[in-house]
Amino acid sequence: GAGVSQSPRYKVAKRGQDVALRCDPISGHVSLFWYQQALGQGPEFLTYFQNEAQLDKSGLPSDRFFAERPEGSVSTLKIQRTQQEDSAVYLCASSQRQGQETQYFGPGTRLLVL
Amino acid sequence: AQSVTQLGSHVSVSEGALVLLRCNYSSSVPPYLFWYVQYPNQGLQLLLKYTTGATLVKGINGFEAEFKKSETSFHLTKPSAHMSDAAEYFCAVIKAAGNKLTFGGGTRVLVKP
Repeated sequence: GAGVSQSPRYKVAKRGQDVALRCDPISGHVSLFWYQQALGQGPEFLTYFQNEAQLDKSGLPSDRFFAERPEGSVSTLKIQRTQQEDSAVYLCASSQRQGQETQYFGPGTRLLVL
Repeated sequence: AQSVTQLGSHVSVSEGALVLLRCNYSSSVPPYLFWYVQYPNQGLQLLLKYTTGATLVKGINGFEAEFKKSETSFHLTKPSAHMSDAAEYFCAVIKAAGNKLTFGGGTRVLVKP
């Protein structure tokens, strides 16, 4: 596709529900990143994939957060037993290679946990 | 740990006036530096980046930024603001040999007619 796409764009969940957020990176991009952006703040790193390998998950806030990229393209970020503090915009980005390449961002998924 | 500081969470400028957004980073080794813009309900769009070479970097929409190692700064400027520049701007770094972006808190720009 022309850019990074994410779905759904908006998600409302009741506290305790599980959610799954999808990211379709730019075709052929090796690296994929997830960031969390709380209201009024800058994005914060969650996790990084190079192809299907999750090389860095140091930013995942708890073991309720899980990400995968099984075939090295589409990625899913799953949040189990959602809490109100999980409410945020979840941004996905991809880059052509590894390292200090430009990261191209999707529009984000806005998650609201009630 | 890497940190990025953006002075001023909100900036108001008149149309046609200079836009100056400040960014300082903390790192003994110069990182790679980026400015992104975010329009409402959209993802982040790259304005410009500095990796190596010339310290004055020109980006899209008339923006430019200058890397000053001695001041650990990467301030963003535009000589003449346009109404379409109203958005939130984020400074970000990737440390040498790293991958992930570390963002500042953002500066929201309001352009007055």
